Amino acid sequence: AQSVTQLGSHVSVSEGALVLLRCNYSSSVPPYLFWYVQYPNQGLQLLLKYTTGATLVKGINGFEAEFKKSETSFHLTKPSAHMSDAAEYFCAVSGDGNKLVFGAGTILRVKS
Amino acid sequence: KAGVTQTPRYLIKTRGQQVTLSCSPISGHRSVSWYQQTPGQGLQFLFEYFSETQRNKGNFPGRFSGRQFSNSRSEMNVSTLELGDSALYLCASGRAGVSYEQYFGPGTRLTVT
Repeated sequence: AQSVTQLGSHVSVSEGALVLLRCNYSSSVPPYLFWYVQYPNQGLQLLLKYTTGATLVKGINGFEAEFKKSETSFHLTKPSAHMSDAAEYFCAVSGDGNKLVFGAGTILRVKS
Repeated sequence: KAGVTQTPRYLIKTRGQQVTLSCSPISGHRSVSWYQQTPGQGLQFLFEYFSETQRNKGNFPGRFSGRQFSNSRSEMNVSTLELGDSALYLCASGRAGVSYEQYFGPGTRLTVT
């Protein structure tokens, strides 16, 4: 069965600093990988996805992620944090059928 | 293009009652999935419908059911509500042939008292 581990339930960075949110996955088949962001009282917004091809994926709002098969990782980065990036971030892997299997989430706090 | 819409946004029910939640997918999307989000269990897959057929189901009791209509709109029903059913219920839609890429609605916040 597929699974996702997000290291760090809370991450705090200063405004302008590098954002690094960690995601490791387990999958017996080539995975599709996703990052979603959730703001308070809202649904999930798709940030970026990896399906096949280029392993460095660029998404919205300046985020990017790199698929590393040898490390079974798909970490999310952003060079410079902005206050508006404060939210909860979820990594997800393709599961059996058409479902997504989500990690537990990482709450990002951005300090001014 | 309009996003996924869910109604109602907030709902308060009493134990033992039943509830129906509605989801309208993005125009042209034929796949609709439902997820339950709680602080303790996180995001868990309930079921997926495609062309009015349930294609996949998660590990939830039979009290949780759903259906999809010919216009791709979907409803989920929870019967005999329990306190533990209090959660944010999220609907997601996807295009045929674009595996796993799903777009989420704002959710319905269900509180069971």
